[in-house]
Amino acid sequence: QVQLQESGPGLVKPSQTLSLTCTVSGGSLSIGGYNWRWIRQHPGEGLEWIGSIYYSGTTAYNPSLKSLVTITEDRSKNQFYLNLTSVTAADTAIYFCARGGFHSPHALDTWGQGTMVIVPS
Amino acid sequence: QSALTQPASVSGSPGQSITISCTGTSRDVGSYGLISWYQHHPGKGPKLIVYEVSKRPSGVSDRFSGSKSGTTASLTISGLQAEDEADYYCYSYAGSKNYVFGTGTWVSVL
Repeated sequence: QVQLQESGPGLVKPSQTLSLTCTVSGGSLSIGGYNWRWIRQHPGEGLEWIGSIYYSGTTAYNPSLKSLVTITEDRSKNQFYLNLTSVTAADTAIYFCARGGFHSPHALDTWGQGTMVIVPS
Repeated sequence: QSALTQPASVSGSPGQSITISCTGTSRDVGSYGLISWYQHHPGKGPKLIVYEVSKRPSGVSDRFSGSKSGTTASLTISGLQAEDEADYYCYSYAGSKNYVFGTGTWVSVL
């Protein structure tokens, strides 16, 4: 059974870069047909899709974040990553990684537990 | 792209049925049958309960059902149970590899 685990610093200073890692266990980034995503939830608010990385290496980002976000992967480590530059207090959120493609390329069948990131104002 | 619109909260008594709406536009919900629904208990990762409008993953109760008409998708929970109390989110493909979530609905079991 595939499991995802987010990791990274819980506190990031304003204007710095937020870097998170999602480690995939029980499965492999090297298997075609899956896509991997980052989602966040601001305190007391709903979920927001941040971006996706596909088996081909293609990426797609939320237009509202596009200039600030980069998603990459390291298949040898079975990890994918989120970099969010120039963070502000508005980037304080729980960050989730997720997998799409088991049932449908467009549905997220497996999620991590999430990791809280605080950017002080 | 704007978040899909869901009611902030819906409540029902045990055994009742409730329906959560998810209203989008012709650029997302109205154009694609690629709506999924997630159940989210705070402190955990969300759980996929419906995909491609009305399909259920193996292991998900048949008390959960989905539908779509025009630019509005819906999730119905029948035979409401205490463990159904959670946040529910819709999620739609919006073209060009973009996606959008709904605003979320808190389901309260009275």
